Amino acid sequence: GAVVSQHPSRVICKSGTSVKIECRSLDFQATTMFWYRQFPKQSLMLMATSNEGSKATYEQGVEKDKFLINHASLTLSTLTVTSAHPEDSSFYICSARQRDRGGETQYFGPGTRLLVL
Amino acid sequence: RKEVEQDPGPFNVPEGATVAFNCTYSNSASQSFFWYRQDCRKEPKLLMSVYSSGNEDGRFTAQLNRASQYISLLIRDSKLSDSATYLCAVPSGGYNKLIFGAGTRLAVHP
Repeated sequence: GAVVSQHPSRVICKSGTSVKIECRSLDFQATTMFWYRQFPKQSLMLMATSNEGSKATYEQGVEKDKFLINHASLTLSTLTVTSAHPEDSSFYICSARQRDRGGETQYFGPGTRLLVL
Repeated sequence: RKEVEQDPGPFNVPEGATVAFNCTYSNSASQSFFWYRQDCRKEPKLLMSVYSSGNEDGRFTAQLNRASQYISLLIRDSKLSDSATYLCAVPSGGYNKLIFGAGTRLAVHP
C-alpha cells in the first residue's frame, strides 16, 4: 500500500504555544488529505478535509482559527494547533486519499501524539 | 441515528474461534466500505475494501447487505495477533471523507 508519514511522532509543549504537524504522502500525490483526532478509547473524529491549493473544509464544531490547515503541495499538508491548551492533548492522525483501480483508498500516517502541559 | 454504528465489544474469543462483527450505516447511497484494524496507540491500517457484495482475503471475509444496510467482518481461525480494534468506515460527502464507527474490540486468548 501507499505510504504516508507524519512528523513529529510525539510532542510535548506548554500551554499557549503553537504546534505544527506535517503529513506527507511519500509515494503518491494526494490532492485531498484528511485530519483526524482520537481521544483515548474513542474512535477517530474527522476534523477537516485538506485540499491542495484551496481552503480546508472543517467539520462542525472544529475551530478553523485554532486548527490551521495548509495544503501547499500535492504531497504535504500541515496542521497547526494554535495556542494549545491541555484539552487539545490527543492523538492527531492524517490520511491521504489515493485513487486506484478499485476506487479510492485512504492511507493513514502513523499519528502524532500531542501532550499540552 | 449515527452515520456508522458498531458494537463496541469487547469480543473475547479463544484461539481458533470464528468471530463476526457487524457495522450498520445510514446512507443508503454509499457505494464503498472499508474495514480498518487499529492496534493500541497506532494508526488504523486498511484491512479490506468492499465495493460490491463482499470480499475475502485469507481468514477474513467482508460481506455487504445493502437491503439491511450493514457490512460484516468475519474472522476465521482467530489468532492471538488478531487482537485489536476493528473500525468500519464509510465515505460521505463530496470529498468522500471517511466516517468511522466507534470500533469493535477483539481480544483473542490462548
